[in-house]
Amino acid sequence: AQKITQTQPGMFVQEKEAVTLDCTYDTSDPSYGLFWYKQPSSGEMIFLIYQGSYDQQNATEGRYSLNFQKARKSANLVISASQLGDSAMYFCAMRGSNDYKLSFGAGTTVTVRA
Amino acid sequence: EAGVVQSPRYKIIEKKQPVAFWCNPISGHNTLYWYRQNLGQGPELLIRYENEEAVDDSQLPKDRFSAERLKGVDSTLKIQPAELGDSAVYLCASSLRGSGGVETQYFGPGTRLLVL
Repeated sequence: AQKITQTQPGMFVQEKEAVTLDCTYDTSDPSYGLFWYKQPSSGEMIFLIYQGSYDQQNATEGRYSLNFQKARKSANLVISASQLGDSAMYFCAMRGSNDYKLSFGAGTTVTVRA
Repeated sequence: EAGVVQSPRYKIIEKKQPVAFWCNPISGHNTLYWYRQNLGQGPELLIRYENEEAVDDSQLPKDRFSAERLKGVDSTLKIQPAELGDSAVYLCASSLRGSGGVETQYFGPGTRLLVL
C-alpha cells in the first residue's frame, strides 16, 4: 500500500517569488513514480511533472522542479517566479511499479498575491 | 490534440434518482480511469479499463455503481440510485504507456455531482 502526505493545507506566496510544496510518501515498492498535478478552480487535474524513483537527477519542467530526496521519502515541488495563474490546488501522487492506480495526497492550496 | 472530454460538467439530482457520466479519452489512449474526488480530498480510483476490459474495479461500489466501455473508446459511469454521499467530482483520466515505461494519466475537467 502507498501513502502520500501533504502537510500544508494552504499557502500564500507573493507574485514572482518561489514556493515549495511538501510531499512525503511511504511505499514498499522498490520502483515507483511520483507525480504532481495542478487543479485550478475549474476542476481539471493538470499534469505538471514526473519523477521516477531510479532517476538520477531531479526532474524539471519550466518553472516547476522536483526536489527528490529518496532516503527521506520526500518529493517536494518548487514553483519558481510565481504567477497569479499559479493559484490552485496542488496534488502529489505516486504509483507503484506493479500498480496503475495513482494514490493522491490531500492537496495544498496555493494563493499567489499580487 | 484534444484532451479528455467529459459531460456533463455539472449535475444536480435528487436522491434515489439515476445519473450517468460520459467520458471520451485522448485519442489512442487504451487505458481509461474513473476517479471520485470528495471535497477537500485527492481523487480515489473507482475503476480502470484496458481497452474494453475492466481490469480493476475493486473500489467500485457495485451495488449502485456500474461502468462500461463497450468499444474500448468512450466510457459511461452510472449511479443508480444516487445517495447524498455520492456528491463529489467524478474525474475521468486516460493514459498511454510511453517509451521508457512512463505512463502519465491525463485528466478531464470532471463532472460535479450534487445529490439533494
